[in-house]
Amino acid sequence: DTGVSQDPRHKITKRGQNVTFRCDPISEHNRLYWYRQTLGQGPEFLTYFQNEAQLEKSRLLSDRFSAERPKGSFSTLEIQRTEQGDSAMYLCASSFPGVGYGYTFGSGTRLTVV
Amino acid sequence: RKEVEQDPGPFNVPEGATVAFNCTYSNSASQSFFWYRQDCRKEPKLLMSVYSSGNEDGRFTAQLNRASQYISLLIRDSKLSDSATYLCAVNKRANTPLVFGKGTRLSVIA
Repeated sequence: DTGVSQDPRHKITKRGQNVTFRCDPISEHNRLYWYRQTLGQGPEFLTYFQNEAQLEKSRLLSDRFSAERPKGSFSTLEIQRTEQGDSAMYLCASSFPGVGYGYTFGSGTRLTVV
Repeated sequence: RKEVEQDPGPFNVPEGATVAFNCTYSNSASQSFFWYRQDCRKEPKLLMSVYSSGNEDGRFTAQLNRASQYISLLIRDSKLSDSATYLCAVNKRANTPLVFGKGTRLSVIA
């Protein structure tokens, strides 16, 4: 297993456009998380799944953001009508459930909205 | 009070020095505690879990103080390659996502 994969690595888009990111977790992990990170800040939680069920969404996640994990394997994060404030690194992570299991992060998708 | 707080630093230390970082958390129900390392423009990588009894991995020692609600990371004999940002991560309670601090930047100087 090659770890958590994210695609694309970089995305530049014009304000108002829609973007979609993909995350392939470690296959044995049934939990998948999306975080967002901006310069000088720690990762901020957005949402997470256990298998295909979306268990929690942050209040930070406006209705322009939607995430899916249709078959409990890969996940997509879509941002509609992008704004400049959406520019950030979007990080995906996966883990086993339960106390004591740390997360393995992917390399992230860096989004720049111009 | 923020859920997870760290001194942003930077901590500038000479090679061979011992350096310690603390991270305070606000929720007494927190059960999972971790330290991550993040290099510039890279993803966070798990450095170590933090156990109630404290734990050590080579030059790194992590401790948990539940009474005062903080975790610590001690790095002995600092190497140039230890230069990075160190993030603490804590959950609010069992089976909830990790909340990350803003990180503490460490520069080890030759």
